[in-house]
Amino acid sequence: QVTLRESGPALVKPTQTLTLTCTFSGFSLSTSGMCVSWIRQPPGKALEWLARIDWDDDKYYSTSLKTRLTISKDTSKNQVVLTMTNMDPVDTATYYCARISYRYYFDYWGQGTLVTVSS
Amino acid sequence: QSALTQPASVSGSPGQSITISCTGTSSDVGSYNLVSWYQQHPGKAPKLMIYEVSKRPSGVSNRFSGSKSGNTASLTISGLQAEDEADYYCCSYAGSSTHVVFGGGTKLTVL
Repeated sequence: QVTLRESGPALVKPTQTLTLTCTFSGFSLSTSGMCVSWIRQPPGKALEWLARIDWDDDKYYSTSLKTRLTISKDTSKNQVVLTMTNMDPVDTATYYCARISYRYYFDYWGQGTLVTVSS
Repeated sequence: QSALTQPASVSGSPGQSITISCTGTSSDVGSYNLVSWYQQHPGKAPKLMIYEVSKRPSGVSNRFSGSKSGNTASLTISGLQAEDEADYYCCSYAGSSTHVVFGGGTKLTVL
């Protein structure tokens, strides 16, 4: 059974760096073909893809946010970490991690974590 | 503004069929058979309903079907049921630079 769970702060201040952790089970990021992505959704708005990391440590980022994002993995802990620098109120959103197939569909999602950016 | 264009809302009565369109460009939907669809109920995480344009994951009702013509993908739900009321998002691979793009979402109301 594949599960993913996001964790991190519920509130961050403007200009701070956000660090989110995705802890997963039911698969291993050391297995060929396995990949994990981060997606966010501002309140009442659409989904937005942020980043992806592959089993072989290849990394991909949203063009519009790539200067602010870093994705990494700890295979031994079954965790993927996303950091986003220089947070702004417009970054207020529910952040999801999801397993992404090499055929570019998200087959398992975490429940999401709401991050509010406010002073 | 989302990269893929979906109607903001659609509605239908129980038992009817509805279709949600997802219009992209020749750089995404038109170039790859890598369109997926997600159902999202309020306060819940998205759920994969269709992948690779028309494939259904195990456990998804066969009332859900997908297709594509040119730069437009479509999700059809037949035999509408009350529990189908949700937001639906399309998603497409968009090449190695852009990677993945989502649609703006469509709110389905079952009358």
